[in-house]
Amino acid sequence: GAGVSQSPSNKVTEKGKDVELRCDPISGHTALYWYRQSLGQGLEFLIYFQGNSAPDKSGLPSDRFSAERTGGSVSTLTIQRTQQEDSAVYLCASSPHNEQFFGPGTRLTVL
Amino acid sequence: ELKVEQNPLFLSMQEGKNYTIYCNYSTTSDRLYWYRQDPGKSLESLFVLLSNGAVKQEGRLMASLDTKARLSTLHITAAVHDLSATYFCAVEPGSARQLTFGSGTQLTVLP
Repeated sequence: GAGVSQSPSNKVTEKGKDVELRCDPISGHTALYWYRQSLGQGLEFLIYFQGNSAPDKSGLPSDRFSAERTGGSVSTLTIQRTQQEDSAVYLCASSPHNEQFFGPGTRLTVL
Repeated sequence: ELKVEQNPLFLSMQEGKNYTIYCNYSTTSDRLYWYRQDPGKSLESLFVLLSNGAVKQEGRLMASLDTKARLSTLHITAAVHDLSATYFCAVEPGSARQLTFGSGTQLTVLP
């Protein structure tokens, strides 16, 4: 079956611009997570959605980062006024219960 | 704050040899995951360990979990070149569903 998909696969933007990253989870998975992977910080949790509950935003690094999940399915991660330190691979994962299945990631480069 | 430490961070081994990667974590948890990542690719789930004493095996890889020692091991038997990749352990703390990752072990199997 189809796995987690993310778009775009690569995004190059200029410092100060806003970007939107999209995640399509596996159908039927109630939980959705965003992580980012960078050379300096490794793999870091950003935000977690579970069903209709309020999201766990405890990993968001600043108020420039936000995410929403519409209809319990597709999620969008938005970064406003991007900075060079935002450059990383942003990974989305979905889960039916325990195991998390990761998408291919979006590589974000902020010039 | 949960800390997850892997060692070694880098491992070069000859084909046919055995070796163990260690994953220590700092707080109570009985949910631990191992992932594999190839260069430029996303994370592939290898093992899900959900209780003390859990042992899972797949091919030349075997993972175990000791929740009392807060330790998981990933044992490689008779390594082959195809196992070259970066291996991550990740812990799900009891109070939350997001994963905290170790720094990863970059494994290179030499012919």
